[in-house]
Amino acid sequence: NAGVTQTPKFQVLKTGQSMTLQCAQDMNHEYMSWYRQDPGMGLRLIHYSVGAGITDQGEVPNGYNVSRSTTEDFPLRLLSAAPSQTSVYFCASSYRGYSSYEQYFGPGTRLTVT
Amino acid sequence: RKEVEQDPGPFNVPEGATVAFNCTYSNSASQSFFWYRQDCRKEPKLLMSVYSSGNEDGRFTAQLNRASQYISLLIRDSKLSDSATYLCVVNFVRNYGQNFVFGPGTRLSVLP
Repeated sequence: NAGVTQTPKFQVLKTGQSMTLQCAQDMNHEYMSWYRQDPGMGLRLIHYSVGAGITDQGEVPNGYNVSRSTTEDFPLRLLSAAPSQTSVYFCASSYRGYSSYEQYFGPGTRLTVT
Repeated sequence: RKEVEQDPGPFNVPEGATVAFNCTYSNSASQSFFWYRQDCRKEPKLLMSVYSSGNEDGRFTAQLNRASQYISLLIRDSKLSDSATYLCVVNFVRNYGQNFVFGPGTRLSVLP
């Protein structure tokens, strides 16, 4: 199993550009989520999904869109990049509905917006 | 008040030392608790779940006090390889499904 994969690993965008961060998992997990990590802030939830076709907002959803057309994939779209979106983005997955199950994280995407 | 708060750190300790990290959470409806470890520029990985009765995994001991809304992690006989940031994670149902809330982390450096 590859686990959770993310692409790209690094990205530099100009203000106003849009892009999609890709996330895929091969563990048949129903629950997937996107976090951003900023110094001193911990990981903050952007959006999450409890299954194909179902998504919901997390703590910091503004400026981001998600979709979940398959169990495996959960892309995160930046609509119009802003310098405040410079961060490290992690995708994670876990079994749905079992709060004691761990989350598995992808290696992260380091995004810089200039 | 942040939902999950941790000792600010960093903790710099010599090899072989015992070190304890503290974490408090604000939501009394929280259902499950974890400690994750994050190495520099890497993704977080589960270190251990935290059970109500307390649990131990080798040199690591986790404790939970629901009444005080407090979680702790004790590391005995610290190794150089324990150097990392330790994240306290609390899970509770918000809308539906799971919602994990991460603390800001406490950085540990174990010195030779």
